[in-house]
Amino acid sequence: EVQLVESGGNLVQPGGSLRLSCAASGFTFSNYWMHWVRQVPGKGLVWVSRIDNDGNSITYADSVKGRFTISRDNGKNTLYLQMNSLRAEDTAVYYCVRGSDWPGVDHWGQGTMVTVSS
Amino acid sequence: DIVMTQTPLSSPVTLGQPASISCRSRQSLVHSDGNTYLSWLQQRPGQPPRLLIYNISNRFSGVPDRFSGSGAGTDFTLKISRVEADDVGVYYCTQITHLGLTFGGGTKVEIK
Repeated sequence: EVQLVESGGNLVQPGGSLRLSCAASGFTFSNYWMHWVRQVPGKGLVWVSRIDNDGNSITYADSVKGRFTISRDNGKNTLYLQMNSLRAEDTAVYYCVRGSDWPGVDHWGQGTMVTVSS
Repeated sequence: DIVMTQTPLSSPVTLGQPASISCRSRQSLVHSDGNTYLSWLQQRPGQPPRLLIYNISNRFSGVPDRFSGSGAGTDFTLKISRVEADDVGVYYCTQITHLGLTFGGGTKVEIK
């Protein structure tokens, strides 16, 4: 069974940093692209970033470019999102999402809440 | 950027009755390989999104056959043949592009 378990969400002050992790299991992690998607509670889904299976191809949404860094450790089956210079508008639930065998995504984690507030 | 517009915003449905959700794109979603990678997600209250339909009309593993997808080019539809209480939630269409994932704004399905 595919499992994606996010962690690292917390309350942080504006301008602060946070690192999210996503522990993957139940599939060969190194074979799949991975994504981060966020959602303000009660609002819609917004794509944040993606990384290819070996970390050589990375893309970011304009809203986080230069502040967030996606990475992965295939030896640890873990996806990361380093979030710097956090803003109030980054407050959201952050989901780890697996890229599918076709162009798209299939499995979603439960999410981790990031709150940026003073 | 591809903009995906869903209608209606909200769909109150009687249990056992059908529901239909539309997703329209301003530009064709046909990929350069000739396929169309339009998916539908379901998000129940308090839950993460879940994949229902991929590549327009393919049901994902474990998805009941009362869910079906159709469409082509710029117009797509998700249908629930007979709504059950378990179907309450928000439904999103989604498409992957070279820039990332894009999502429709969501349609809330609720019971009358």
